[in-house]
Amino acid sequence: KQEVTQIPAALSVPEGENLVLNCSFTDSAIYNLQWFRQDPGKGLTSLLLIQSSQREQTSGRLNASLDKSSGRSTLYIAASQPGDSATYLCAVPVEGSNYKLTFGKGTLLTVNP
Amino acid sequence: EAGVTQFPSHSVIEKGQTVTLRCDPISGHDNLYWYRRVMGKEIKFLLHFVKESKQDESGMPNNRFLAERTGGTYSTLKVQPAELEDSGVYFCASSQGGLEGRRTDTQYFGPGTRLTVL
Repeated sequence: KQEVTQIPAALSVPEGENLVLNCSFTDSAIYNLQWFRQDPGKGLTSLLLIQSSQREQTSGRLNASLDKSSGRSTLYIAASQPGDSATYLCAVPVEGSNYKLTFGKGTLLTVNP
Repeated sequence: EAGVTQFPSHSVIEKGQTVTLRCDPISGHDNLYWYRRVMGKEIKFLLHFVKESKQDESGMPNNRFLAERTGGTYSTLKVQPAELEDSGVYFCASSQGGLEGRRTDTQYFGPGTRLTVL
């Protein structure tokens, strides 16, 4: 059974700091890994999707890496801004599926001005 | 382009009542998914439609939940009768679809419907 763990559960940093969010998963036979952002009372916004054949993806100040063999992914946020404050969720498909996502509980990020 | 929309945004009902949630996916997306997050837990998969067909409903909690997607466009999720443990946020997502069974697509989520059963 696929399980996803995100560490830390919460993180508070001053504006401008670079930071790393961690995600680990138990079953390394995944098709892809997706990072989402959720703002309070809002839906999930897809940030990055890394296919199993890729090692990283970049979008603006965000960089996500994937190490399938060790069951880990990191989301790196450069030069954090108060607008980055949100809950960040990591999700992978369950074993044998390319669509049925298993989510971690998320990391609540607060960037202080 | 409009994103995934869900209605209502909030619903408060009493135990035993019926509630129907609606999801409108992104236009042209063949795949539609329902997920649920109960308080303090992770978001969990409920079911998956490809067009109007249910491909996977392995996550549906029990037979009080009924999902439909008539005509392969919008979908409804009915809970009848509602129980206290059904409270949570119900998310709908859609993806474009691709090569049968192999391509992986980004799933785009709606804002969710917060259901409270009293």
